Amino acid sequence: NAGVMQNPRHLVRRRGQEARLRCSPMKGHSHVYWYRQLPEEGLKFMVYLQKENIIDESGMPKERFSAEFPKEGPSILRIQQVVRGDSAAYFCASSPPWVGETQYFGPGTRLLVL
Amino acid sequence: AQKVTQAQTEISVVEKEDVTLDCVYETRDTTYYLFWYKQPPSGELVFLIRRNSFDEQNEISGRYSWNFQKSTSSFNFTITASQVVDSAVYFCALSEARDMRFGAGTRLTVKP
Repeated sequence: NAGVMQNPRHLVRRRGQEARLRCSPMKGHSHVYWYRQLPEEGLKFMVYLQKENIIDESGMPKERFSAEFPKEGPSILRIQQVVRGDSAAYFCASSPPWVGETQYFGPGTRLLVL
Repeated sequence: AQKVTQAQTEISVVEKEDVTLDCVYETRDTTYYLFWYKQPPSGELVFLIRRNSFDEQNEISGRYSWNFQKSTSSFNFTITASQVVDSAVYFCALSEARDMRFGAGTRLTVKP
């Protein structure tokens, strides 16, 4: 049973470009979560999605950031017009649909904005 | 609002010492879930344990043990006879519904 998959593992972008981060949940998991980890800090919740639905985006910056989880394919976290402050590790997690279930994390995408 | 505090930012021990990582949480809900994750130098997040608020039994898994005390809102993690491979950042997390709130983490260094 494959774990949560994220790609790319490392992404370098110049200021003003777009970053697209992909996440495929574990088989049987219908819920996806995105977290951001700034250097030397803990993880901060960004957004929680089900297929075709954003359930909670309270941790997502209001501008430039968006997330989707289409009916087919991986979840995508999109950052438009990246700035240096967006440099961080972005982790995706997935879980079964029940409340309180363990979230299993992918290996993360390290985004570096030059 | 839910909140997790890991007051120890860094701990350094010598191999074979026991070490306890503290976690204190705040929540208004009676139903909640607590977690510990390990983040080794390679960067991935490894799930260690999940505990729901109705189960205060302490748990032991090999050299790892967890002490959950609702009276003090704490969920502490002890590593017995630490090893160099235990060196990592350890995160405590709290979930009331779906989103998970993490503490800032404790960086554990185990020296040979």
